[in-house]
Amino acid sequence: GDSVTQTEGQVTVSESKSLIINCTYSATSIGYPNLFWYVRYPGEGLQLLLKVITAGQKGSSRGFEATYNKEATSFHLQKASVQESDSAVYYCALDGSWQLIFGSGTQLTVMP
Amino acid sequence: GGIITQTPKFLIGQEGQKLTLKCQQNFNHDTMYWYRQDSGKGLRLIYYSITENDLQKGDLSEGYDASREKKSSFSLTVTSAQKNEMAVFLCASRGDRDTEVFFGKGTRLTVV
Repeated sequence: GDSVTQTEGQVTVSESKSLIINCTYSATSIGYPNLFWYVRYPGEGLQLLLKVITAGQKGSSRGFEATYNKEATSFHLQKASVQESDSAVYYCALDGSWQLIFGSGTQLTVMP
Repeated sequence: GGIITQTPKFLIGQEGQKLTLKCQQNFNHDTMYWYRQDSGKGLRLIYYSITENDLQKGDLSEGYDASREKKSSFSLTVTSAQKNEMAVFLCASRGDRDTEVFFGKGTRLTVV
């Protein structure tokens, strides 16, 4: 079946440093799924950060970027310079058959 | 914009008890979802519904029932609460299949 893998459960980065959160996927039910990054800030609900629906394209939002790499089946999330306010849980997801399939999430802590 | 309201925010039940979680959305979305979120794991689909009175089982449906009597509401019943299912339950909705999925803030279930 379809699946999403996030290898890092927790990441700690100093403010102004760069960030990469890894995401790989396997899509057997749908050839080129839509890919998403969702984020949950402390005390808030899960919300969409960015999405990309075309292989090879890059999505961006709030300084974060992710590129849909169909050859590597990856959708890594990157930011050049993180801020304390970026501390949150980040989830990679793919659009399967009627449902979103999520990775296990990565808790990002940005140290001042 | 719209909102998804989940009630209650916190639910404490006894082992073996039948418990109901409620969700309302005012987006006028056709599709609604119930996901379960366990610490350190991704969101796993329990049930979804693509229209009023429709119900589709997700991977985690055993031990749960769902009801979609109105387009705007989707309830989830834990048929016999168990201590190992303490988790956060998230309700979500979307319009067309390729559009953004919106989430409620969740109901945290504790079983004593």
